[in-house]
Amino acid sequence: GENVEQHPSTLSVQEGDSAVIKCTYSDSASNYFPWYKQELGKGPQLIIDIRSNVGEKKDQRIAVTLNKTAKHFSLHITETQPEDSAVYFCAASNDDYKLSFGAGTTVTVRA
Amino acid sequence: KAGVTQTPRYLIKTRGQQVTLSCSPISGHRSVSWYQQTPGQGLQFLFEYFSETQRNKGNFPGRFSGRQFSNSRSEMNVSTLELGDSALYLCASSRGAPGELFFGEGSRLTVL
Repeated sequence: GENVEQHPSTLSVQEGDSAVIKCTYSDSASNYFPWYKQELGKGPQLIIDIRSNVGEKKDQRIAVTLNKTAKHFSLHITETQPEDSAVYFCAASNDDYKLSFGAGTTVTVRA
Repeated sequence: KAGVTQTPRYLIKTRGQQVTLSCSPISGHRSVSWYQQTPGQGLQFLFEYFSETQRNKGNFPGRFSGRQFSNSRSEMNVSTLELGDSALYLCASSRGAPGELFFGEGSRLTVL
């Protein structure tokens, strides 16, 4: 089955700086790569996703890049704000109606 | 538009008991998925239902089961509870095609 590895496990950044989280996947058939943000006591919330026919996608301060050859994808958050502090999960899917998640990255934005 | 609703939000059971968790998807969504979240194993896929049919199942023992009703609401059941079943159980709904999942806030199960 699919195996998704996520790094780093924790990330502390100064407010206004950028944050980058990287994930690798094992199944070359995977074609959908979402990123979720989970705040304390809440369920994961989709913040951005990318499909395999696209190399990069941006939504305001958030961007995701995908390298299918290397089987890795990354989340970039620019101009970080305190409300960006949360746990972020990457995931991969190959149209089999299930997501395989990375272990998560706890992001702390220091004021 | 109401989100995914899970009940109960918190529950405590003892080993050997069974538990049923409920999920009401977003209106119009016909697919419901269940995930188990623990500090040690992270988010793991349990099963997915669409139009009352299970389309995929994760690597969990047969003690974990689920079903979906004609109104798309779903339940999952865990029988003969073990300490290791303590977790946050998350339900997610979608329109049915592979893609975006909308998660509920979860049911936190503690097994004593």
